[in-house]
Amino acid sequence: KAGVTQTPRYLIKTRGQQVTLSCSPISGHRSVSWYQQTPGQGLQFLFEYFSETQRNKGNFPGRFSGRQFSNSRSEMNVSTLELGDSALYLCASSGTRGGANVLTFGAGSRLTVL
Amino acid sequence: DQQVKQNSPSLSVQEGRISILNCDYTNSMFDYFLWYKKYPAEGPTFLISISSIKDKNEDGRFTVFLNKSAKHLSLHIVPSQPGDSAVYFCALRELNDKIIFGKGTRLHILP
Repeated sequence: KAGVTQTPRYLIKTRGQQVTLSCSPISGHRSVSWYQQTPGQGLQFLFEYFSETQRNKGNFPGRFSGRQFSNSRSEMNVSTLELGDSALYLCASSGTRGGANVLTFGAGSRLTVL
Repeated sequence: DQQVKQNSPSLSVQEGRISILNCDYTNSMFDYFLWYKKYPAEGPTFLISISSIKDKNEDGRFTVFLNKSAKHLSLHIVPSQPGDSAVYFCALRELNDKIIFGKGTRLHILP
């Protein structure tokens, strides 16, 4: 069964630009979560979508947004990029294992803002 | 305010010995506790989980312990192997299914 696919894997943008990242979850998974990983902060939760609705949201500014499509694929968008947005953006879809909803992560999209 | 704390940024352990990774949390509104492992250039992968109603769960070389009164979670790896060198994240699931991660501990297994 195919894993979680994120595109693009690497990208470079300049301050003020916007970026859109894409995530295709594991087939059958309806929940998609997004995390930002930076060296000093670990994995910080951005938002979670379930059946095209945002179910949970982290503490990020409104420049960070997302959406989910009817086929469960998800995109996240960051507008007006800042240097501090440079990070690895991880997408995960979730299924249940032994009662815990276990996240399966993609390899991430590494964003560099210059 | 950080709800999940992994106070050791890094840990070095001799191959064959026990590795103990620790995680503390600050409130009790979590129902599942999980550990993930991450290699460079890859996404985190699930290792092991424990329900809040249990205090121990074992899977091969990996054992997770939960001490609810102390709000403390630990992962024991024994015996440690070179392939265990990675960053380990503890993760806690809130009742609304949101999963919060710690900052991670980098484990180095020494030959």
